[in-house]
This record gives sequence, structure tokens and C-alpha cells, in this order.
Amino acid sequence: ETGVTQTPRHLVMGMTNKKSLKCEQHLGHNAMYWYKQSAKKPLELMFVYNFKEQTENNSVPSRFSPECPNSSHLFLHLHTLQPEDSALYLCASSQDSGGAGDTQYFGPGTRLTVL
Amino acid sequence: AQSVTQPDIHITVSEGASLELRCNYSYGATPYLFWYVQSPGQGLQLLLKYFSGDTLVQGIKGFEAEFKRSQSSFNLRKPSVHWSDAAEYFCAVGLNSNSGYALNFGKGTSLLVTP
Repeated sequence: ETGVTQTPRHLVMGMTNKKSLKCEQHLGHNAMYWYKQSAKKPLELMFVYNFKEQTENNSVPSRFSPECPNSSHLFLHLHTLQPEDSALYLCASSQDSGGAGDTQYFGPGTRLTVL
Repeated sequence: AQSVTQPDIHITVSEGASLELRCNYSYGATPYLFWYVQSPGQGLQLLLKYFSGDTLVQGIKGFEAEFKRSQSSFNLRKPSVHWSDAAEYFCAVGLNSNSGYALNFGKGTSLLVTP
């Protein structure tokens, strides 16, 4: 397996459910990111982890909880979501997040639908 | 305010015709510039990037982009479009911020290729 993988690819959940999104990168990178992609809106950066430490939390509601146990894995724990949270959630990785020129490599995303 | 603008939401071109997708940015300094492509159901794939030096940048799949400082633009071009180029194209700007590194995306341009 190469690149950045995400599971599941599709997820439907109720507002009272708890679920988790998983991201794994096989590129030897040190930084990982969560983005939210909603229809007709720019990609929104949610969280940044660099060397397993969270370096950015872009004012994301607490119903989204990230976890980065090591540099290769990133999770997004979801609970009591709202219908407006339905979106494509993209994971990305880069060598590190220390520079603006660092190229980010994206996974295929998880299409989340909240009923 | 800092922003990335892709003025065209949708563009339709005939197969074999030339293509130009526009991107303008509004930042104080020269940013790092990227173009990504997203095929349906897929994540974002990097086409090319500009950091410094030659203002004409070559990318994958026959794409190129030209950085014009005077116009704050980084337009993407391809001389002859193939049906497989139909996808969503995103311009992005990388900047160092007070909280670290940020990658800001435009809203995207959807490309339709007709026979």
C-alpha cells in the first residue's frame, strides 16, 4: 500500500452515534492534516499534527476530536454530529509542517453523511 | 483580507482545445503556489507548484502554470485537453502564519470536456 489511505470511504451516521475516521500514510512523513470539504466552499483546514503533536486547531467544534498515536496514523473521532457536518473529510500528510512550501499529499477522503 | 480566488466555477472545453484556469491571490508577500486536481470520488493530486525562480512551472499530465507577480495570478494551462482531464481543479497558497503553516485553497473550478 502506498500514499495516503483513508477508511472508511463512506460513512452514514445518526446524530447520536460515535464513529471514527482513520488515516494512514506510507510516505514516511512527519506531519498530518484533517480537512473538511463541503459543497461550494473552499477546503477548510481542521487540524495539523507535526511529529505527533497538535500544532493547529482551526476553531473546530469539540464534537470533532483528533488523535495522532504516531506519525503514520491519524484519527478523527466523531460524536453528536449535526447534519451540517456532512462533507468529504480529507486527510493529508507532508514531510513536516514547518514551512509554507511543504507539499501535502492527500488521501481519497471519507464521505460522511449525518442523518 | 488574504484570499485565493478562482473566478470560474465551471468551464467547458472541447477535447483537443487549449485550457486556461485562472487563479488570483491576495497576500502581502509572494506566497508558495500550488495547483491540485480532484477526480470524482478521489482525493487531491498535486499537479505543480511554484516556490521561486522561473515563473513558468511545468507539472504532470502536460499542465503548466505561470506566476505573474504584477497580476497576483497563477493561471494553469494545458495546450490540448483530453477527456480524462475532466475534474475539479484547486489553486492553493501556502503561507507561514503566527500559528504555523497554512495552506489556503480556492473554491475550485469544475472542468467539463466535451467530445
